[in-house]
Amino acid sequence: GNSVTQMEGPVTLSEEAFLTINCTYTATGYPSLFWYVQYPGEGLQLLLKATKADDKGSNKGFEATYRKETTSFHLEKGSVQVSDSAVYFCALKGRGSSNTGKLIFGQGTTLQVKP
Amino acid sequence: EAGVAQSPRYKIIEKRQSVAFWCNPISGHATLYWYQQILGQGPKLLIQFQNNGVVDDSQLPKDRFSAERLKGVDSTLKIQPAKLEDSAVYLCASSSGLLLSGQKHSYEQYFGPGTRLTVT
Repeated sequence: GNSVTQMEGPVTLSEEAFLTINCTYTATGYPSLFWYVQYPGEGLQLLLKATKADDKGSNKGFEATYRKETTSFHLEKGSVQVSDSAVYFCALKGRGSSNTGKLIFGQGTTLQVKP
Repeated sequence: EAGVAQSPRYKIIEKRQSVAFWCNPISGHATLYWYQQILGQGPKLLIQFQNNGVVDDSQLPKDRFSAERLKGVDSTLKIQPAKLEDSAVYLCASSSGLLLSGQKHSYEQYFGPGTRLTVT
């Protein structure tokens, strides 16, 4: 079945450091891919998405590219801020007649940015 | 536009007790989802409604969990009796996605703040 694997956390960085959070997936066909963010005490928010191979999703300085050949969707940001401290979830949504639109999530990666 | 509302935000119960969670989706959203998020894990779908019909409840432990969306708007998720392993955050999400005959339209899911359940 479909699944998502994220790198283990927590990830601790200093402010202005470069961020990469790895995400790989297993799916039949070509799913849509997402990154969600969960700030402390808040609900999940969509950060960015990509719906087909080679698409790049971007938002708030974060980027991720849909790589079909490596089945990956790694999240990157060139310069993190303390306010980026949160839990980040990679997720996929399958395609095809058997898929109902549900999201399948990775286990989440906690990011802590220190001043 | 108001977001997805959930209540209560926190609940502590003893095992074998019952509990109910309420969700009010974004106005006009046909599809409603309940996810369970156990600490340290990603959310897992429990049940999905389109209007007042169930689309997917394959991961719902039906011996103790039930959910309804009688008028196709608000939804209630119930656990009876609760077990220790039910301690989790229960997330409600909604989307405007519709299932049309043979063709699916899936749109962005908007999540509520969740209900944190602790079973002691």
